[in-house]
Amino acid sequence: NAGVTQTPKFQVLKTGQSMTLQCAQDMNHEYMSWYRQDPGMGLRLIHYSVGAGITDQGEVPNGYNVSRSTTEDFPLRLLSAAPSQTSVYFCASKVGGQGRTGELFFGEGSRLTVL
Amino acid sequence: GDSVTQMEGPVTLSEEAFLTINCTYTATGYPSLFWYVQYPGEGLQLLLKATKADDKGSNKGFEATYRKETTSFHLEKGSVQVSDSAVYFCALFHNTDKLIFGTGTRLQVFP
Repeated sequence: NAGVTQTPKFQVLKTGQSMTLQCAQDMNHEYMSWYRQDPGMGLRLIHYSVGAGITDQGEVPNGYNVSRSTTEDFPLRLLSAAPSQTSVYFCASKVGGQGRTGELFFGEGSRLTVL
Repeated sequence: GDSVTQMEGPVTLSEEAFLTINCTYTATGYPSLFWYVQYPGEGLQLLLKATKADDKGSNKGFEATYRKETTSFHLEKGSVQVSDSAVYFCALFHNTDKLIFGTGTRLQVFP
């Protein structure tokens, strides 16, 4: 049972570098999202998608891009990494559309350090 | 707008103690309410939920009752174990596709 799979689990970048965090789910969920988790800040929504070809901004979208070309995949791109983007990133998915619920399924997280 | 407020942590308890983690919410209408748990080094996972007023969600010995009159969904467990040490998040789901999370409460249980 794969569920939500994130790669890589750990990454170190230098300021100004770009990278993509990968997220894939095998539950045919319409809704996918990216959160960042920082000490004392809880979870903050970066971007989300309610289906293939549809994306929208969350609370903290600046410095991140997303696309959703398939139901299964929702990559998060950091265009020019900054130390403020050092965080743990979580991808999560759930049933969307008419049958939507609040039950989110999370990946194991990707720990990113920007030097 | 909708919001969730949780008690500050960390909550530190001895094994077999009684646990309460407070959660209150602000929302119009009737949201669904959730508790998620995050064990060290892992992602969040659903612990329990309640979809309407007076519902009681329960799982793994944890319980929470949806109280519309006090807009609360407090998490309780009668006897905690060391393995319950984790961060607990209260959340609500209402009208949109997005969940609204509280800031999380860290629970530390010592033998």
